[in-house]
Amino acid sequence: ETGVTQTPRHLVMGMTNKKSLKCEQHLGHNAMYWYKQSAKKPLELMFVYNFKEQTENNSVPSRFSPECPNSSHLFLHLHTLQPEDSALYLCASSPSTYNEQFFGPGTRLTVL
Amino acid sequence: AQKVTQAQTEISVVEKEDVTLDCVYETRDTTYYLFWYKQPPSGELVFLIRRNSFDEQNEISGRYSWNFQKSTSSFNFTITASQVVDSAVYFCALSEGSQGNLIFGKGTKLSVKP
Repeated sequence: ETGVTQTPRHLVMGMTNKKSLKCEQHLGHNAMYWYKQSAKKPLELMFVYNFKEQTENNSVPSRFSPECPNSSHLFLHLHTLQPEDSALYLCASSPSTYNEQFFGPGTRLTVL
Repeated sequence: AQKVTQAQTEISVVEKEDVTLDCVYETRDTTYYLFWYKQPPSGELVFLIRRNSFDEQNEISGRYSWNFQKSTSSFNFTITASQVVDSAVYFCALSEGSQGNLIFGKGTKLSVKP
């Protein structure tokens, strides 16, 4: 395994479901990120974790709940989502928050 | 406030043409970083280059070159002799300080036709 992996690659869920997105990086990086990419807006940073500590929450609704159990894994727990939350969710990692970020392939989420 | 503007929404060229993607940024900080990423149809963002605000030297990497000009707050990207595989959406991004908060432009979709 190399780089940044994300599972699942595609997810369809109803508004009452609870699901989780998983991100794993095999690069030995210390910082991890969640981004949202939708058709209507530019790439938006959601959360930043540095050495497992959350350092940035970009005014994200509480129906999105991140979890970073260690520097290699990052989760995004989803519950009671809205159709407008349908988007591509991208995970990234970097050696530190000063460095360039390396992205995973994304999870395409559809909320019905 | 931070802002990145990519005025070109879509560009279409024929293979072997040169093409320049424009990026203009706004920041109040003296220390900042600029990036270019490529997003092919598969969706994964691919890192291309990172520059810091103190290094205005232009860079060339194969068919890719970047022109950083602080006087005009621009960080333009040129592809020489474009190829069909260059077709993708290209994003310019800005980061200030140490928080890792990347601010992306809206992207430029480049289509290279054979």
